[in-house]
Amino acid sequence: DAKTTQPPSMDCAEGRAANLPCNHSTISGNEYVYWYRQIHSQGPQYIIHGLKNNETNEMASLIITEDRKSSTLILPHATLRDTAVYYCIVRVPGQAGTALIFGKGTTLSVSS
Amino acid sequence: KAGVTQTPRYLIKTRGQQVTLSCSPISGHRSVSWYQQTPGQGLQFLFEYFSETQRNKGNFPGRFSGRQFSNSRSEMNVSTLELGDSALYLCASSLWAGSEKLFFGSGTQLSVL
Repeated sequence: DAKTTQPPSMDCAEGRAANLPCNHSTISGNEYVYWYRQIHSQGPQYIIHGLKNNETNEMASLIITEDRKSSTLILPHATLRDTAVYYCIVRVPGQAGTALIFGKGTTLSVSS
Repeated sequence: KAGVTQTPRYLIKTRGQQVTLSCSPISGHRSVSWYQQTPGQGLQFLFEYFSETQRNKGNFPGRFSGRQFSNSRSEMNVSTLELGDSALYLCASSLWAGSEKLFFGSGTQLSVL
């Protein structure tokens, strides 16, 4: 079973920041938080991952709370092309035999 | 660099038949994972291969099998197809088993009639 909890859906206006929350209260010390997204009819796409510090790349920012029990993915300026299902996943990287366990994810709808 | 290639893109089979799906990973990637996606169950892990060895397996019946070749290309096979096997089958490649980033193909849409 997925070890994360996400809201089933969210709406965002184009150009505004989209803040997608994720709860992972049972995360262990060596587990990282990963975010992937799936645009309709395509395979999932890696977005970002982190352990405890905030992370930023060209796609998004990841804010992890100090107790690591929750995190927020931020898309700073959402566009229509960001409409997708966003998955928050916890796993231990570099450990063979650990698979990505996808939950239901959050369906983000960006509208103009 | 070419992405993950899955063939065929669409497939229609009847109950009882068997099917083989193919996945060519990104050049240089040595690990391949397979996932099944259905509207009811979402994305579920099938198995992972690295260096021609199965490293991890999900909770699927023995009708689902796979293999990886020396060039890292992978195939998965489903025997004695059931209606419930209708799904999008996704392949993901990564540099090594357990790698942080997985790169997914567009999948093979299997319909069992």
